[in-house]
Amino acid sequence: AQTVTQSQPEMSVQEAETVTLSCTYDTSESDYYLFWYKQPPSRQMILVIRQEAYKQQNATENRFSVNFQKAAKSFSLKISDSQLGDAAMYFCALNRYNTNAGKSTFGDGTTLTVKP
Amino acid sequence: EPEVTQTPSHQVTQMGQEVILRCVPISNHLYFYWYRQILGQKVEFLVSFYNNEISEKSEIFDDQFSVERPDGSNFTLKIRSTKLEDSAMYFCASSVGTGNDEQYFGPGTRLTVT
Repeated sequence: AQTVTQSQPEMSVQEAETVTLSCTYDTSESDYYLFWYKQPPSRQMILVIRQEAYKQQNATENRFSVNFQKAAKSFSLKISDSQLGDAAMYFCALNRYNTNAGKSTFGDGTTLTVKP
Repeated sequence: EPEVTQTPSHQVTQMGQEVILRCVPISNHLYFYWYRQILGQKVEFLVSFYNNEISEKSEIFDDQFSVERPDGSNFTLKIRSTKLEDSAMYFCASSVGTGNDEQYFGPGTRLTVT
């Protein structure tokens, strides 16, 4: 079984500042993939960033970057220069490598508020 | 940009009734999924579907649930006899492959069971 834990139910950040959302996970797999999804009030799930477990280099996508610590099973998301449009619920998710299924296990989510 | 679509956006049904939630995945995708999200809670995996058969399902996906790809475009989730606790947002997703491949989510169907 695999689990994903997000220990911060809510976070807030001042516009233009930087915020880090935490995620830890547990899996017995050696190959897996990690994702951060954003869910704005419209409820549409949008992929923010992904990381392959076999890659040591942390993924970056514009203002979004991750700090992937495989030994610690930690996968945090850093949002730089926060914008009002970043306000949403953020979910960390884990996919194990499987040729026939791509089940994602999600964390409980972190609600991010951006203050103007 | 291609997107996953879901209908209806909101379905209200009475307890014990059957409902069918419909999804149109992205056309070149091969893997299809259903997830649900009870209000205020995490997104939970229900089932994955590949090559016209279920590839994995969770313990939530009991005999009351079934999935089908009746034609080349639609992917449906049927709940045979709805319960109050089935009230949730149901998301369909699709992907080209598995593992690292991004799952594209639909906008969701809000199911309310009264």
